[in-house]
Amino acid sequence: GDQVEQSPSALSLHEGTDSALRCNFTTTMRSVQWFRQNSRGSLISLFYLASGTKENGRLKSAFDSKERRYSTLHIRDAQLEDSGTYFCAAEAGGSNAKLTFGKGTKLSVKS
Amino acid sequence: EAAVTQSPRNKVTVTGGNVTLSCRQTNSHNYMYWYRQDTGHGLRLIHYSYGAGNLQIGDVPDGYKATRTTQEDFFLLLELASPSQTSLYFCASSDRDEQYFGPGTRLTVL
Repeated sequence: GDQVEQSPSALSLHEGTDSALRCNFTTTMRSVQWFRQNSRGSLISLFYLASGTKENGRLKSAFDSKERRYSTLHIRDAQLEDSGTYFCAAEAGGSNAKLTFGKGTKLSVKS
Repeated sequence: EAAVTQSPRNKVTVTGGNVTLSCRQTNSHNYMYWYRQDTGHGLRLIHYSYGAGNLQIGDVPDGYKATRTTQEDFFLLLELASPSQTSLYFCASSDRDEQYFGPGTRLTVL
């Protein structure tokens, strides 16, 4: 099965609401990155975490520091420009520094 | 800010054609990666490299070659392109931790 499982696969929100996206890992991971991909295909890096939490404006991400088996991305007060597809990608460690991507969460924010 | 550039940004070729995708990073990163992205999938790793002259096989390498000529430059080669290789290709570099991605190349194989 997939090493990185994202949920939900799709999400529709009204402006001003909050949401949480989740990534579960089938094995312990060393680090996680979150990305947003816009309609033109550009990939924007949101967070890189090796532990703990990070916050940037209305976005906040956490990486389970104990078992290192999941990560979350919280979006507060959703805006139209938050629409896009969100990917998490995790690295298992070792010498190769390979990222394994989830299949993404397609987020639509409506007015 | 990390800088990863890719060329061309868009490419159309025919089945059996020969295509080279180029990637350059200006951050002195040792690691460089090539990914492809298809509908319904996240990015999948094709090849990667630890440094000039080094090449490692990724998860979906069939039909692709790669070459890392310098620390800055990493090339992806499709010597006999097939329609199944129509995809969005991303290059990335890293200092072992966070990966920085280029803008992507859309390749269409007719």
